Amino acid sequence: EVQLLESGGGLVQPGGSLRLSCAASGFTFSIYAMSWVRQAPGKGLEWVSSINAGGDSTYYAHSVRGRFTISRDNSKNMLKLQMNSLRADDTAVYYCAQIRDDTPTPTFDYWGQGALVTVSS
Amino acid sequence: QSVLTQAPSVSAAPGQKVTIFCSGSASNIGNNYIAWYQQFPGAAPKLLIYGDNKRPSGIPDRFSGSKSGTSATLGITGLQTGDEADYYCGTWDSSLSAGVFGGGTKLTVL
Repeated sequence: EVQLLESGGGLVQPGGSLRLSCAASGFTFSIYAMSWVRQAPGKGLEWVSSINAGGDSTYYAHSVRGRFTISRDNSKNMLKLQMNSLRADDTAVYYCAQIRDDTPTPTFDYWGQGALVTVSS
Repeated sequence: QSVLTQAPSVSAAPGQKVTIFCSGSASNIGNNYIAWYQQFPGAAPKLLIYGDNKRPSGIPDRFSGSKSGTSATLGITGLQTGDEADYYCGTWDSSLSAGVFGGGTKLTVL
């Protein structure tokens, strides 16, 4: 059974940093691209970032480029998101998601339960 | 403002059929596959349709997807009260080099 378990969320002041982790199990983590998708309170889904299976290609939403860094450790089946210079509009539930490997368009197959990040003074 | 456009809400009676629409452009829906996600309150999204019209294992055939040009539709037949949820379309935008979603459609089964 595929499981994705996010951790590292919490309350942080504007301008601060936070690192999210996603522990993956139940599948061969090293052959799947992965993503972070967020959802602000009461709002819709927003794609944040993606990383390929090998970890050498990364993609970012315009709203987080230069502030967030996605990375992965295939030896530990772990996906991470380093978030710096956080702003109030980064407040959201952050989901870790596995990307399907059978379609050329990034499609989010399995999702974690989400980690709440609150940016407030 | 979402890149993909969805109606905020739709409603239908139990047992009926409903269609949820998603509109985009050539750089997203027009040249990439569309996916549909179902989300219940307080829960993570779940993949319903991928590759425009394919169902992942375990998704009943009451759910269907189609695409024409720069628009896509999600169809749900035999509506059940348990289908009440938010439904999102999503794809990749080749011009933005970014993943994009619609704003979501809230389905009410009256």
